[in-house]
Amino acid sequence: NFMLTQPHSVSESPGKTVTISCTGSSGSIARNYVQWYQQRPGSAPTTVIYEDNQRPSGVPDRFSGSIDSSSNSASLTISGLKTEDEADYYCQSYDSSNRVFGGGTKLTVL
Amino acid sequence: QVQLVQSGAEVKKPGASVKVSCKASGYTFTSYGISWVRQAPGQGLEWMGWISAYNGNANYAQKNQGRVAMTTDTSTSTAYMELRSLRSDDTAVYYCARENGPDGRGYYHGMDVWGQGTTVTVSS
Repeated sequence: NFMLTQPHSVSESPGKTVTISCTGSSGSIARNYVQWYQQRPGSAPTTVIYEDNQRPSGVPDRFSGSIDSSSNSASLTISGLKTEDEADYYCQSYDSSNRVFGGGTKLTVL
Repeated sequence: QVQLVQSGAEVKKPGASVKVSCKASGYTFTSYGISWVRQAPGQGLEWMGWISAYNGNANYAQKNQGRVAMTTDTSTSTAYMELRSLRSDDTAVYYCARENGPDGRGYYHGMDVWGQGTTVTVSS
């Protein structure tokens, strides 16, 4: 079964840039679209990246997504970190008709 | 604006069933599918299944096959998720999410709008 692996946690200071990785277990992660969801404590998830690198309206351009086929991974990069970016981030893709989520990464901005 | 509004919290006993609703507004309901995702306390996101609002076709995560049923009512733009034979480990927040696809090549484009979540507690 296809799995997505994320680091459990990352931390960085305000104003800096952080990158969260999402590595596919098998096959090519580029075969299907990858999405990224942000979940603040006590709230529902919201979409920050869809179709690998597209931002929904209202998501600041500090958020960007990319795919690296050589490492079979997707990445979410947040630049100019703000304290409001502190949240859990989940990557999501597809395995046949199944939706697969990564385990989530807790981003601490301190 | 595009919105998904879910039904209220539920408390159920083991062995019972629960049916959660998800009412869509602000878009053409039949142009998208609905995925259902749950999150147990302190845990990550778990996909439960997807249903096409266009034709009612559904596919379910293998883990809960046989216990879950997803339906839609296009007259009210509402999706439903019913989970039967509830166990304590079904205690979770259940989310519906609008999902784009499949497109002409069979690709899905991710979940873009989420409901507020429905807490389901299973306890004797």
